[in-house]
Amino acid sequence: DSGVTQTPKHLITATGQRVTLRCSPRSGDLSVYWYQQSLDQGLQFLIQYYNGEERAKGNILERFSAQQFPDLHSELNLSSLELGDSALYFCASSVGRNIRTTDTQYFGPGTRLTVL
Amino acid sequence: AQKITQTQPGMFVQEKEAVTLDCTYDTSDQSYGLFWYKQPSSGEMIFLIYQGSYDEQNATEGRYSLNFQKARKSANLVISASQLGDSAMYFCAMREGMMNGMRFGAGTRLTVKP
Repeated sequence: DSGVTQTPKHLITATGQRVTLRCSPRSGDLSVYWYQQSLDQGLQFLIQYYNGEERAKGNILERFSAQQFPDLHSELNLSSLELGDSALYFCASSVGRNIRTTDTQYFGPGTRLTVL
Repeated sequence: AQKITQTQPGMFVQEKEAVTLDCTYDTSDQSYGLFWYKQPSSGEMIFLIYQGSYDEQNATEGRYSLNFQKARKSANLVISASQLGDSAMYFCAMREGMMNGMRFGAGTRLTVKP
């Protein structure tokens, strides 16, 4: 158990809909990262938040957005869903202090999204 | 451009033997980190080992070691004394700079035979 929690575990929805995925980081971690794992694209970094502020952006679509709240939990919002958005969405967290350190990212169990 | 390359889609190893999973990377950054993660069939991503670009010694964690050859830009994972529970997908990843998202390779599926 990494200490990162994600809800829900599974989500089935229809095209055009909007969903929200939730992540709680490990205790003490300030950075949260979102990744998408799909068969055709592999594992892709979407976005990072550090202590409530957006820190880095990867291959995140404009239809997707995220935020990190004062209690450090994060939500990933996916809207106007398409069949191709079906994937496993991971949240990861790290300590996030900007010093020379491993700053290892620990992953949650993931949310499997199926768009029908 | 592909920054992390794992050339072995699948590997087989006999139980109790050692196996090397290959990873090459491409970056112009001086400061970067290299990571290996294991993904069993249950789907979770498990951190195995880390190597920093400035680390002079190869990283080791139990049965895992990282063969880091900076000039060749390779960071191969060595698993010693393979166990049946090592059967999984293995991903190599790189983080450029600090506090940044990681880029992942396509993964290698390792199967340990009894």
